[in-house]
Amino acid sequence: SQQGEEDPQALSIQEGENATMNCSYKTSINNLQWYRQNSGRGLVHLILIRSNEREKHSGRLRVTLDTSKKSSSLLITASRAADTASYFCATPPDNDMRFGAGTRLTVKP
Amino acid sequence: DAGITQSPRHKVTETGTPVTLRCHQTENHRYMYWYRQDPGHGLRLIHYSYGVKDTDKGEVSDGYSVSRSKTEDFLLTLESATSSQTSVYFCAISETDYYGYTFGSGTRLTVV
Repeated sequence: SQQGEEDPQALSIQEGENATMNCSYKTSINNLQWYRQNSGRGLVHLILIRSNEREKHSGRLRVTLDTSKKSSSLLITASRAADTASYFCATPPDNDMRFGAGTRLTVKP
Repeated sequence: DAGITQSPRHKVTETGTPVTLRCHQTENHRYMYWYRQDPGHGLRLIHYSYGVKDTDKGEVSDGYSVSRSKTEDFLLTLESATSSQTSVYFCAISETDYYGYTFGSGTRLTVV
C-alpha cells in the first residue's frame, strides 16, 4: 500500500501561474520528500522536509508540512513549460521509501 | 543519472523465461532498491539491500529475487517471467535509509 497520496491526480495551468500539489500520509514520519519525474525518465529528488520543520524553500519550490494533519504541500511559483512532469511525495517508513501515485502537472506555454 | 546505471534499457522477453536486470552504482552507497512503476500504482518496492549480501523484501516481491555480491551491483531476477511483470523497473540508491534517493533511468521490460 502507498504511504503518500498526492492530490490532485492531474493539474493543468498556464505558464507563469503557481501550481500547488498536496500529499497526505498515514503513519508518523521523520521526513517527507518530493520528487519529479519527466516522461520516460527516473525520478529526481527535489526537496526534503524534516518532521520538525514546517516550511522549506528551494528556488521556486516551497514545501510545507503539517504533521498534525499528516499532510504536505508543494508549491511551484511562476511555473514554466519545463516544469511539466509528474510529482511524487515519498516518506521513509522503516527501511524503504513509499511513494504515492503522483500528480501529473502540465504547464501550457 | 551520473553514478547509477541500469541495463538493459529495454527488453522484450517471452513468458516463462528468466530475466536479469542489472543496477550498477559508482557512489559507494550502502542502500540499493528495486521498484516497479505501473500506471495507477505509482512506484512499488520490490526488494532492497542494506549492504553486500543483505537484502529484504518489499511490498511486491513475489516472483522476483535479488542478489548483491558487491557494493556496486544489485541484480534483479525474474525467475520465470509472466505478463504481469511487464513494467518499468527503476533502481535507486541512497547513503542512508531515510535520505533522498538517486534513481536510474529505468528498464522497460515487456513480457510477451
